[in-house]
Amino acid sequence: DAGVTQSPTHLIKTRGQHVTLRCSPISGHKSVSWYQQVLGQGPQFIFQYYEKEERGRGNFPDRFSARQFPNYSSELNVNALLLGDSALYLCASSLDRGLAVSTDTQYFGPGTRLTVL
Amino acid sequence: QKEVEQNSGPLSVPEGAIASLNCTYSDRGSQSFFWYRQYSGKSPELIMFIYSNGDKEDGRFTAQLNKASQYVSLLIRDSQPSDSATYLCAVINLANNLFFGTGTRLTVIP
Repeated sequence: DAGVTQSPTHLIKTRGQHVTLRCSPISGHKSVSWYQQVLGQGPQFIFQYYEKEERGRGNFPDRFSARQFPNYSSELNVNALLLGDSALYLCASSLDRGLAVSTDTQYFGPGTRLTVL
Repeated sequence: QKEVEQNSGPLSVPEGAIASLNCTYSDRGSQSFFWYRQYSGKSPELIMFIYSNGDKEDGRFTAQLNKASQYVSLLIRDSQPSDSATYLCAVINLANNLFFGTGTRLTVIP
């Protein structure tokens, strides 16, 4: 079975530009989460979507937005890019069985390396 | 205060030794706890999860959870050079969002 896929693999943008990153979850997974990982740090939670609805949002400015499509794939959009947005952007999908105590495992894609010049 | 705290290391252990990785969390309502491994330049991969107090063993790995102390640990027995990686502790909140610590870099010396 195919894992989580992300595109593009690498991206170079300049300050002020806009970027769209894409993610396809594992087949059957309905939840997609986005993370930003800067060098030397752990992944930071940006968004989670479940059944096309936003379930959670991390401490990121409104320049960051996302959406989930009927086929459960997702896009992360970042406007007005800053140098500090340079990072590895990770997408993860999970089955989400709706259990009260969630042990829902998130599986990560390979990431998109974004460089802002 | 960060939600999840880890000692960033680096932690070095000789081959065959036990590596002990620690993590504390701030949200007392957290339910489930995960350990991920991340090799340089790669994405995180799940090692194991735990949600009940006590120990959980999976091969050479043992996760330990103490909710009263808000403490999670990961023990790696018979450490191998291939275990050299960054180990990430993660916590799920009530909204089912996952929060990571900064990670501990482990080096196993042959």
